[in-house]
Order: sequence, then C-alpha cells, then structure tokens
Amino acid sequence: AQTVTQSQPEMSVQEAETVTLSCTYDTSESDYYLFWYKQPPSRQMILVIRQEAYKQQNATENRFSVNFQKAAKSFSLKISDSQLGDAAMYFCALFGNEKLTFGTGTRLTIIP
Amino acid sequence: SAVISQKPSRDICQRGTSLTIQCQVDSQVTMMFWYRQQPGQSLTLIATANQGSEATYESGFVIDKFPISRPNLTFSTLTVSNMSPEDSSIYLCSVGGPRDRGGYEQFFGPGTRLTVL
Repeated sequence: AQTVTQSQPEMSVQEAETVTLSCTYDTSESDYYLFWYKQPPSRQMILVIRQEAYKQQNATENRFSVNFQKAAKSFSLKISDSQLGDAAMYFCALFGNEKLTFGTGTRLTIIP
Repeated sequence: SAVISQKPSRDICQRGTSLTIQCQVDSQVTMMFWYRQQPGQSLTLIATANQGSEATYESGFVIDKFPISRPNLTFSTLTVSNMSPEDSSIYLCSVGGPRDRGGYEQFFGPGTRLTVL
C-alpha cells in the first residue's frame, strides 16, 4: 500500500512572502510520480506541479517549485511571492501501481 | 489538458433516493475515475471506469451502491443509490493524462456537491 502524509493541516503566509508545504510518502514502487494539487473554494482540483521519481532535478513552474528528496521520501512545495489567489487547500498526491493516492491536505491562508 | 464537465453541480436529495452524476470529457480518454470527498476530507477513489469493461471498485465501495456506466470514450455516469446522510459529499470525476506522453497526472471535473437529508 502507498501512503501520503501532510503534517500541516493549516499554514498562513504574508502576501509576497514565501511558504513551504510539507509532504512525505511511502511506496514500494520503483516507478512513481508525485503531484501537488490545489483546490480553491470553488472545489475545482487544479494540478500545480508534477515530479517524476526517476528525475533528480526538482520541478519548477513559475512561482511554484518542489524539493524532492527521494531517499527521505519527502516532496515539499515552495510557493514564492505568495498571492491572494494562492489561498486554497493543497493536496500532495502519489501515483503508483495504477493508483493516485492523496494526502489529507494543507489549508493555505494568504494574509494581505 | 482535457476539459471536463459534471452535471449536476449540486443537489439536495432525500434519504432512500438515488442520484446519477454525469461526467463529460471534450476528448476521448481511456481511463476515467470517480472520487468521493467527504466534508473537510481528502479524496478517496471509488472506482476506475474503462470503456467496454466493468468498473473496478476500491475496497469499501460496491457496485450495488455506486453503479457506474462508461458507454463511450468521452462519457461516464456514477449513481449513488439508496442514499443516506453519510453519502453527503463532493463527487469528482477525473481522467488520466496521455500515457504515451508520460501523462500520469489526472485532470478533474468541477465536482458535484451532494447533500442528503
């Protein structure tokens, strides 16, 4: 079985500052993929960033970047220059063995 | 990414009735998925629906309670049968990315918010 753990139920950050959301996972698969999804109050799940486990280089998408530590099974998300529109639930997810498993989510609040 | 629509967007239903949720995709996809998100919770996979075959259900979910149809490569339905208040959740459908291009991510519809009284 694969598991995804997000230990921060809630986080807050000042607008324009940087915040890091934590995620750890466990899987017996050697080939897997990691994702961060964002779910604003509209409830639409939006893919933020993806990381292939076989790639050592950390993925980056504009203001969003990850710190992928494969040996430690850690996959954190860094949001730079936080904006009001970043306020949402953020879910870490692992795709392995043909199944996508989600963490419990971190609610991010942006303080103006 | 695919554009996915769901109907209805929300509904309030009486205990003991059934509701069918529709999921439409703007392109042909092999794999479609149905998830449940209970209030304040994460997403839990109900079943995987492939065209031309029976849906594959996850542990804790049964076909009698959540029958799924997948008549073609762009459409699927999920029925929530004999509803109870415990079925009040958001139900989301998703589709997989193009595997031949390494698309292991999933794209989600806007969800259906179901309240059972």
